[in-house]
Order: sequence, then structure tokens, then C-alpha cells
Amino acid sequence: QLQLQESGPGLVKPSETLSLTCTVSGGSISSSSYYWGWIRQPPGKGLEWIASIYYSGGTYYNPSLKSRVTISVDTSKNQFSLELRFVTAADTAMYYCARQSTGIVTWDYWGQGSLVIVSS
Amino acid sequence: QSALTQPASVSGSPGQSITISCTGTSSDVGSYNLVSWYQQHPGKAPKLMIYEGSKRPSGVSNRFSGSKSANTASLTISGLQAEDEADYYCCSYAGSSTFVFGGGTKLTVL
Repeated sequence: QLQLQESGPGLVKPSETLSLTCTVSGGSISSSSYYWGWIRQPPGKGLEWIASIYYSGGTYYNPSLKSRVTISVDTSKNQFSLELRFVTAADTAMYYCARQSTGIVTWDYWGQGSLVIVSS
Repeated sequence: QSALTQPASVSGSPGQSITISCTGTSSDVGSYNLVSWYQQHPGKAPKLMIYEGSKRPSGVSNRFSGSKSANTASLTISGLQAEDEADYYCCSYAGSSTFVFGGGTKLTVL
């Protein structure tokens, strides 16, 4: 059974960098059938796609966040990561990592989420 | 890339049917038959309910159905049950490996 688990600091100071890692178990991140991505949800608000990555390194970003975001993959650890720079209170959210199937182009497996609060 | 438009809330009585709309543009919903719908209960991660506009993943009840017309996709839930009370989100492929979500709809089962 595929599982995704987010990890990282729960509190980040304004203007600093938010860093999260998603560990994939029960499946290989190097499969050609999937992309891997990050989606966030501010408290009480809707979902927002942040970025996606393919195991070979191809990256795709939400245009509204592109200047501050980097997504990367470490196939040796079966992990992928997110960096969001120059954070503000507006970046406070539950951050989910998820799998996107290339065949059906949708997010079919999600992690449980990691709450990140931006505050001094 | 603007968020897809969903009604903030819908409600229905047990056994009834409800429909949630999801309006996008000719650049996302209108261009691709790649709208998915997610159910989210409080404190939980979203769960895929519909993909490619109208297909159900294994294990999802056939009470859930999806459709699309032009720039608007719809999710219909028939035979409403108490456990259907949740937030529902639509998501569309928007080209160049990008995605856009809707703002979410809170379903209340009366």
C-alpha cells in the first residue's frame, strides 16, 4: 500500500525558507507512471497546487508561486522536497504531498498533511 | 491561473440528490476532459472521488457522478447520506503540467 509522509518544521519565521520533505513508501518514486507534487490549504480555505516533479527531474510550478518555490527529488531516498522562500503569514497552511498518475492526470494518493505556521 | 469557481455551500436531505458546479475557462475546464473531484472531511486529506470528468476510482460509490458542459463541470451525489457531509473540491488540468483547484463547496446533509 502506497504511503506518503510529510516532514519538516511546523513553525517558520517570516522572510525565511519553508522546507518540507515527502517520504514515499510502498512504491518507487522512480516509476515512469507518476509525477509527485505539493498542494497546500490555508486554514479554512481551499486547495492550491504548488508544484510537481517527475523522477527524472522535470519540474512544473504554479505561476503565482514560481519565483519563490523549488521542488526537488532524491530517488536514492525515495523522497521529494519543497522549498518556499521569503515566507509570510499568507503561506501558513497545511501542506500535502501527493502522487499524480500520468495515465489519468489526477492526484490519486495524498499524505496526511503537515501544518506549517509562519510567525515570529 | 485563477481558481475555479464553486458555490460556497449546498445542502440536501437524506435520499435527495445535489449537484455542485465548477466553472473554469476555455484554458482549463473547457480545454481538457481532465476534471477531478475530491471529498474532504474535517481534519483529513482530500480523497479522490471522480477523475477524467466522470470516472470513479475503485471503491467509490456509484452515487457519485460527474459531467461537463463547456467550461463548467458538475458533481452529482444521489441518494444523499449523512457521511457525504464534507467539503468538495474540483480540480482541472490547465495545460503544461499545471493544475488549478476550485475554492471548495461545503455540503450539508440536513
